[in-house]
Amino acid sequence: SYVMTQPPSVSVAPGKTARITCGGNNIGSKSVHWYQQKPGQAPVLVIYYDNDRPSGIPERFSGSNSGNTATLTISRVEAGDEADYYCQVWDSSSDHVVFGGGTKLTVL
Amino acid sequence: EVQLVQSGAEVKKPGESLKISCKASGYSFTSYWIGWVRQMPGKGLEWMGIVYPGDSDTRYSPSFQGQVTISADKSISTAYLQWSSLKASDTAMYYCARKSLGSGSYVFDYWGQGTLVTVSS
Repeated sequence: SYVMTQPPSVSVAPGKTARITCGGNNIGSKSVHWYQQKPGQAPVLVIYYDNDRPSGIPERFSGSNSGNTATLTISRVEAGDEADYYCQVWDSSSDHVVFGGGTKLTVL
Repeated sequence: EVQLVQSGAEVKKPGESLKISCKASGYSFTSYWIGWVRQMPGKGLEWMGIVYPGDSDTRYSPSFQGQVTISADKSISTAYLQWSSLKASDTAMYYCARKSLGSGSYVFDYWGQGTLVTVSS
């Protein structure tokens, strides 16, 4: 089955840019979606189809996807961005949904 | 307003059965797939399966096939996740989530608040 790898943790200072990667074999050929999960809360969709933002998600959140790596970029990071972030794809060959292992974003 | 409201926390013993629910409102229930996602304590998200309430078509992750049953009752806009015999390892938070329209991928645009299931003797 398809496997995606995320770094367990990323740290960034307030006001700086955070980049969270999601690696997978030829992931650039798939559509990648990103979810933010704060402690004790349900996940929230922040990026879909690689780089689309749902309404209500700040423009500071953006995504890219090429080759074997998809990236969630958070510009001008705020304390409120501290959360776990998960990438997700649909593996069409198996018709299964796959989540990455998650990355804990710490705002220093 | 789209809402997915899940049933309350459950405490069960190993071997017992359980059915948790996810009641949808604010949209056409029969037109969207509803998925279930497990999150074990301190761990990541795991996709369990998905149901299309319009015709009850159901797909399962290989990891959960045969372990749970996913269903939907369109008359009351509610999706279900059930176990016939719980194990301690089923202790987790379970989320339902709506798959957005579109055939290119699976995007979960709305999520329930989660149901905590604790299985302990």
